[in-house]
Amino acid sequence: NAGVTQTPKFRVLKTGQSMTLLCAQDMNHEYMYWYRQDPGMGLRLIHYSVGEGTTAKGEVPDGYNVSRLKKQNFLLGLESAAPSQTSVYFCASSYNRVNTEAFFGQGTRLTVV
Amino acid sequence: AQKVTQAQTEISVVEKEDVTLDCVYETRDTTYYLFWYKQPPSGELVFLIRRNSFDEQNEISGRYSWNFQKSTSSFNFTITASQVVDSAVYFCALSVADMRFGAGTRLTVKP
Repeated sequence: NAGVTQTPKFRVLKTGQSMTLLCAQDMNHEYMYWYRQDPGMGLRLIHYSVGEGTTAKGEVPDGYNVSRLKKQNFLLGLESAAPSQTSVYFCASSYNRVNTEAFFGQGTRLTVV
Repeated sequence: AQKVTQAQTEISVVEKEDVTLDCVYETRDTTYYLFWYKQPPSGELVFLIRRNSFDEQNEISGRYSWNFQKSTSSFNFTITASQVVDSAVYFCALSVADMRFGAGTRLTVKP
């Protein structure tokens, strides 16, 4: 039972490079989320999706884009990476948006140099 | 606006001590949900408990207990007889339109 799987686990980028983080869930959840975790700031919501083909902005969406072409996948893109985007990124999914717990992936540690 | 404050950045205790992690939240909504998650050194976030705004009953699960007080907008988490395996970062979260997290409290339990 895989749950939520993130790819890759680690990545180092040069400033200005682009990349895509992939999140896959096998729980048939409608709702999916991307968070970033920074020291002293907890987890902050970047973007989320309430179903296939939908996306919405969270607290800190600037510099990121997302897509949800398939229900089980939620992609996070960085078009032109900046050092300020060095962080640990977590994908999560949930059955409902508000009143159920979220299931998290193992995280992706991204360093932008 | 919704906000979660975990004022304790780091706590260190010796094994078998009791420890309470504080969580204070802010929201103008009357319907909301509160959560606690544990992030062990492995990095994944593990769900511990959910509480809705209409249920102020305290809950106990083994060595873990939670105290929800709407009057003080707090949802505190107590670990009784702490163990080394309890060492982790603990996050409190508030869910209204979406889930917002506190900054986390790093708990270190020393043998």
